[in-house]
Amino acid sequence: DGGITQSPKYLFRKEGQNVTLSCEQNLNHDAMYWYRQDPGQGLRLIYYSQIVNDFQKGDIAEGYSVSREKKESFPLTVTSAQKNPTAFYLCASSAREGAGTEAFFGQGTRLTVV
Amino acid sequence: AQKVTQAQTEISVVEKEDVTLDCVYETRDTTYYLFWYKQPPSGELVFLIRRNSFDEQNEISGRYSWNFQKSTSSFNFTITASQVVDSAVYFCALSVLIKAAGNKLTFGGGTRVLVKP
Repeated sequence: DGGITQSPKYLFRKEGQNVTLSCEQNLNHDAMYWYRQDPGQGLRLIYYSQIVNDFQKGDIAEGYSVSREKKESFPLTVTSAQKNPTAFYLCASSAREGAGTEAFFGQGTRLTVV
Repeated sequence: AQKVTQAQTEISVVEKEDVTLDCVYETRDTTYYLFWYKQPPSGELVFLIRRNSFDEQNEISGRYSWNFQKSTSSFNFTITASQVVDSAVYFCALSVLIKAAGNKLTFGGGTRVLVKP
């Protein structure tokens, strides 16, 4: 079935470590996005990419990095510079550039700093 | 900048009651899209409905209906005859037409709906 796969579902990070969250889609979508969700809050955009080898910062990019080497993949690295990384991370994709296109979401990765 | 406000943080109803979720948005753009997404306990967001800024016609789709009023910048969503499976967090979102920016969604804070049997 077509969809977005995020892994792992749960991730624990020690202070000072970098961790990478995986996001893969087989929907043949050009655009991919990373959102962060904190308890009781809406989603905030971290990074987005419209095309392979190109990506832009969202509203809260500090302490995060991404790559887009393949159309299907958009991994997110949470670096040690991110001071409060504990959150729920959602990856999304959409078919084409444009405000009216619906986004499809993965099931998320819950990151906890221990 | 865009902003979406969902004033209701949590709504609790008994099964078969109707539930109306409020959403107020802010944007200076004349072309925009409004969405409602559902987030069940499993975590992923599920697309429910979409409306563009030029179409204020209100519609009904099954047990879902929405009321879009540009004059008050509101995009309210109603679940008719609620069921336990409707229990989830519901997000209202806004997307404006920004060149080369794709579908950047601005989300409200979400409303948790609890439907009791």
